[in-house]
Amino acid sequence: GQSLEQPSEVTAVEGAIVQINCTYQTSGFYGLSWYQQHDGGAPTFLSYNALDGLEETGRFSSFLSRSDSYGYLLLQELQMKDSASYFCAVRDQSSASKIIFGSGTRLSIRP
Amino acid sequence: DSGVTQTPKHLITATGQRVTLRCSPRSGDLSVYWYQQSLDQGLQFLIQYYNGEERAKGNILERFSAQQFPDLHSELNLSSLELGDSALYFCASSVDVGNSYEQYFGPGTRLTVT
Repeated sequence: GQSLEQPSEVTAVEGAIVQINCTYQTSGFYGLSWYQQHDGGAPTFLSYNALDGLEETGRFSSFLSRSDSYGYLLLQELQMKDSASYFCAVRDQSSASKIIFGSGTRLSIRP
Repeated sequence: DSGVTQTPKHLITATGQRVTLRCSPRSGDLSVYWYQQSLDQGLQFLIQYYNGEERAKGNILERFSAQQFPDLHSELNLSSLELGDSALYFCASSVDVGNSYEQYFGPGTRLTVT
């Protein structure tokens, strides 16, 4: 089957940089997405990597290495509002319509 | 605001009852997805519709069903409710199946079964 692994919790300091890793196991791969979810809120799409390399969107960047079945989300110049859960997600090997989400990484930011 | 709307925001009901959750996708989006998120859990994919037709199914219980109407809004029906069905139910939409990696989520419906 398919599975994604990410750390359950990460803590960082305001203004710093943090990296949230995601490793996946899947026989068919269509790319890696990242979503942010604040407590009590809805998930929000952040980024998508279909090919190897780094995608940058403002303070957030996402990286993918298909040969290593690994990706990460990099958050720079951390702000308190970045405290949230972050999910990586892949499309199911059997159906591109079906998305498999990781269990999420809870990011806590200290002043 | 993602442009996806869900009603109701909150729903409290008793075990054994049936409820209907409603979702309207973003304007122009043809694909609708339903997810269940239990307390401190990840998102569990339930079912997906594209332009009125069911396209993918996840671990959706037989007590649950869904449909997408000609105006593209979707409804998720939950019947014979159990305490364990208490969760946040999210609807999401994307332009089409090919863009399923980029989904826009509604605010969710919090279901409490007592």
